[in-house]
Amino acid sequence: KQEVTQIPAALSVPEGENLVLNCSFTDSAIYNLQWFRQDPGKGLTSLLLIQSSQREQTSGRLNASLDKSSGRSTLYIAASQPGDSATYLCAVRANDYKLSFGAGTTVTVRA
Amino acid sequence: EAQVTQNPRYLITVTGKKLTVTCSQNMNHEYMSWYRQDPGLGLRQIYYSMNVEVTDKGDVPEGYKVSRKEKRNFPLILESPSPNQTSLYFCASTRATGAAYEQYFGPGTRLTVT
Repeated sequence: KQEVTQIPAALSVPEGENLVLNCSFTDSAIYNLQWFRQDPGKGLTSLLLIQSSQREQTSGRLNASLDKSSGRSTLYIAASQPGDSATYLCAVRANDYKLSFGAGTTVTVRA
Repeated sequence: EAQVTQNPRYLITVTGKKLTVTCSQNMNHEYMSWYRQDPGLGLRQIYYSMNVEVTDKGDVPEGYKVSRKEKRNFPLILESPSPNQTSLYFCASTRATGAAYEQYFGPGTRLTVT
C-alpha cells in the first residue's frame, strides 16, 4: 500500500522567504505526482503535475522536483507572499483510478 | 468552463436519514472518484468509477454507495448516515491522455451528521 508523508505538518515564515515543502512516498512505481493547494474549507487547486519520466516542473514562482528512485518530491515556492498561506497537499498516482494523498503542510506567511 | 460541481455544498442531517450528494463533470472524463477528508488523515478514496456502470471500492467504502448511470454524473449515497461520516467530501474526475492522468476536484461538500 502506498504511504505518502509530508514533513513538516506546519510551517511559518516571514514574507519574502523561500518555502521548501517535502513529500515522500513508499512505492516508487508511480504514474505521476501532483501538488495541490487547499484554502481553509475550500476545494483543491492543482498547482503542478510531474509525470514519472520527468524530474521537475515549473510554474511561475513554483518549482517541483521528483526523485522517483528515492521516493521524494519537493515543492519550492520562491519569494513567499501572504497570499501563499494555505495547505499544500502532495498526491501520487499508482494506477488509473486512485491518488494517494499526504496529510498536507499548512503554510503561514507572515507579513 | 471545465468544472466538477457538487451539491449540496453544506449539509447537516441526523443519524439514519438517507442522503445523496450529487457530482457532475462537463469534461467527458471516464474516471471519477469520491474522497473524504478528515483532519490529520488527508484525503482517502471512498469509491471510484472507470466508466458508466463500472464502479469499485476505494480505501474506505463502508457505509457508502455510488452509481454511474451517465458518464457525467457520479452521486454518493449514504443510506443510513452515522456521526463518524461527518467529514468534508470531494468528488473528482480524471483526465487520462495516454499515460498522463490529471485529477480535477469539485468544491467539496461539508457534511455534519448529528
